[in-house]
Amino acid sequence: GAVVSQHPSWVICKSGTSVKIECRSLDFQATTMFWYRQFPKQSLMLMATSNEGSKATYEQGVEKDKFLINHASLTLSTLTVTSAHPEDSSFYICSVSRTGAYEQYFGPGTRLTVT
Amino acid sequence: QKEVEQNSGPLSVPEGAIASLNCTYSDRVSQSFFWYRQYSGKSPELIMSIYSNGDKEDGRFTAQLNKASQYVSLLIRDSQPSDSATYLCAVNQAGANNLFFGTGTRLTVIP
Repeated sequence: GAVVSQHPSWVICKSGTSVKIECRSLDFQATTMFWYRQFPKQSLMLMATSNEGSKATYEQGVEKDKFLINHASLTLSTLTVTSAHPEDSSFYICSVSRTGAYEQYFGPGTRLTVT
Repeated sequence: QKEVEQNSGPLSVPEGAIASLNCTYSDRVSQSFFWYRQYSGKSPELIMSIYSNGDKEDGRFTAQLNKASQYVSLLIRDSQPSDSATYLCAVNQAGANNLFFGTGTRLTVIP
């Protein structure tokens, strides 16, 4: 397995503010990290693939200017939800994979509530 | 057609029984298959991976893969109430390092 941390584990923010979520790969250097969102009782939705040193690849329908992803090092990726709205309230989960492998190891997730 | 399909359930089995979870996928060139367990309110946890046709056993879990039928399954023997969770099937996307996830099957093991 692999150890992945996320911070914060939960956050409450007011509508219109921005929130930054950190994802750290603690066991190995991850050239690729993934960001998912999961609404209650729904399936995982891939938001974007984050590659170290390059721009993230966003899935169709995900606004790249609203969900800013920075993968500045091989162990850290951040997701910033800008100008958050109540409909952005969700469970945000990151995952990491080793170079050349498909297995993804998930962080514990961040529960975002926008009031 | 979805890339990965699972029966959403819920699937209920009595404690001690065998739980059988099924998954079909559409991409014939997929080579890597995974099962994740997700407890309510938690993130997914990798429990099994399988790459070759046939069975792969790990403790009470057995993954079965049939590439000709594009079918992968997970058997849980001697099911325990602690196995109650949603089980996600994931398949690699050809030409990319993404995984396609199914919508998950919710399993309830009744004491």
